[in-house]
Amino acid sequence: GNSVTQMEGPVTLSEEAFLTINCTYTATGYPSLFWYVQYPGEGLQLLLKATKADDKGSNKGFEATYRKETTSFHLEKGSVQVSDSAVYFCALSGGEGGYNKLIFGAGTRLAVHP
Amino acid sequence: DTGVSQDPRHKITKRGQNVTFRCDPISEHNRLYWYRQTLGQGPEFLTYFQNEAQLEKSRLLSDRFSAERPKGSFSTLEIQRTEQGDSAMYLCASSFSQGRSGNTIYFGEGSWLTVV
Repeated sequence: GNSVTQMEGPVTLSEEAFLTINCTYTATGYPSLFWYVQYPGEGLQLLLKATKADDKGSNKGFEATYRKETTSFHLEKGSVQVSDSAVYFCALSGGEGGYNKLIFGAGTRLAVHP
Repeated sequence: DTGVSQDPRHKITKRGQNVTFRCDPISEHNRLYWYRQTLGQGPEFLTYFQNEAQLEKSRLLSDRFSAERPKGSFSTLEIQRTEQGDSAMYLCASSFSQGRSGNTIYFGEGSWLTVV
């Protein structure tokens, strides 16, 4: 079945450092891929998405490119801020699981210190 | 605020009691979803509705759980005879179905349940 694997956290960075959070997926067909962010005590917010191979999703300085050949959707940001501290979830919909629900990874906690 | 809203945000209940959560989706959205999230884990799909029809239920949704969306607008999730293992955050989400792709799902802030 469909699945998403994320790098384990926590990821601890200094402000203005470069961020990469790895995400790989297993799915048949052509899933859509998403990154969601969850701030402490809150629900999930959509950060960015990509719906086909080689698409790049971007938002608030974050980027991720849909790589079908490596089944990856790694999240990157060139210069993180303290306010980026949160848990980041990679997710997919589509393939065998259908487009009716999202399958999430376990999440990666990011802590940015001044 | 026209996002997904959930009520209550926090609920503490004794084991064996029933609890009910309400979700109001984004008004033009025809799909509504329930997810469960435990500490340190990603959300897990429970069920979803298209309008008032419940089209899919996860095997995680035991007989003690029931969800309804009677008029295709708001939804309720009831848990009967709660157990400590039910302690989690229950997330509601909604989307407008566009068929194959681009079906972006928007989440509410969640309802925290603690069973003591």
